[in-house]
Parts: sequence; C-alpha cells; structure tokens
Amino acid sequence: DIQMTQSPASLSASLGETVTIECLASEDIYSNLAWYQQKPGKSPQLLIYDASSLQDGVPSRFSGSESGTQYSLEINSLQSEDAATYFCQQHHDYPYTFGAGTKLELK
Amino acid sequence: QIQLVQSGPELKKPGESVKISCKASGYTFTDYAMHWVKQAPGKGLKWMGWINTYTGKPTYADDFKGRFVFSLEASASTANLQISNLKNEDTATYFCARSTIAPFFDYWGQGVMVTVSS
Repeated sequence: DIQMTQSPASLSASLGETVTIECLASEDIYSNLAWYQQKPGKSPQLLIYDASSLQDGVPSRFSGSESGTQYSLEINSLQSEDAATYFCQQHHDYPYTFGAGTKLELK
Repeated sequence: QIQLVQSGPELKKPGESVKISCKASGYTFTDYAMHWVKQAPGKGLKWMGWINTYTGKPTYADDFKGRFVFSLEASASTANLQISNLKNEDTATYFCARSTIAPFFDYWGQGVMVTVSS
C-alpha cells in the first residue's frame, strides 16, 4: 500500500497568515493527489485534485503544489472558516489511502 | 443540485448486521462510481472500496473483504453498504462518496454513525 505521511499533525495560526500542510508519498503517485477539508461533524469537502487543480467553488486562497513525492497544500490569508482538519488522499493506486490529517486552529 | 443522502444512525450488538443506504440525486447515477469511506471516532479516513454503478461490480480494499458487501438499487439511484457479524471495531461513521473515472471524491454523503455495543 502507498503510505501518505502528512505533517504537521496540528498547527495554530492567526487570521490573515499563510500556512502550508505537506504530504509525503511512499512512492511516485504521478500527481494523483487530492486535498480535503473536514469540519467537526461534517463530511469532507474536496479542495484540490490532481495535486494542483482547484475544485469548482473553492476559494483561490487554497493552492496545491508538488515536488517529487512531496505534496503541499497552501492556504493564504487565513479566514476564520478555514479552521478544520485537512486530509490528503492519493488517487493513483489501490487501496486509495489518506494522510492522517492536519488539524488547523485559528488563534 | 447534487446530493448524496444517507440513512440514519444505527445502534447494533456484536454479531448483528446493518445495511446503510446512500441515495443520489441531481445527476445520472450510473455516470459516476460510488465509494465507501470509514472514519472511526476521532480518527482519519479509510477507503473501503467502490462499486461500479453501471455494471454493479464491487471492488473491496483488503481490510474490507468478507463481511462487507456493496450493492445497488440502480432504479432508485441508491448504493448500499451491508456489514455482517458486526464487531466493536466497526463502530465508525461510514461515508459514501462519488467519483468520476479518476478516484477523488467530489461529493460526499453526510455520513452514517454505526455504533456496535453490547
């Protein structure tokens, strides 16, 4: 199975700041990576797919990038509604696996 | 609008079975695959497998072979997940989620909390 190592497990940031969350794939996943946002008691929502494509309706302050097997989600100009847990998911090969999640808290 | 509406919460005893439904609306059901994802309390997401809504063929992740069955009521645009011989570790929220041929999930159901307790 492809392991997705996500970091950090949690972070705290202030409104207006920029944060970066990372996922390291255990092997090449050829940009087949998605990012999701999940708020407590809710289902995940797709933010980014194919490493850097923004899902329709998602604010442009969210962006994705890659460098080798390292994938990053950047959130610019943090808003209060960005407080959530973020997960990466590789959609390259069975079984599709998720990172352990990053809990983002707003100060 | 596109919606995946799942059935309500379940409380079961070990050894019992449960069937969860996921009713799709707002799109052509057979044009998209349906996946199932497990989230244990306070934990991350685990992909369980998917069902081809056109052919009805299910594919299971290794950890979900044997007691888990994906099925369809295509005429009702509904996908189902049945879990038999429930164990305490099956206590979780189960989500359905749709995908195109590329398996990332653009719409999710609201989730069904299944609690297994004696």
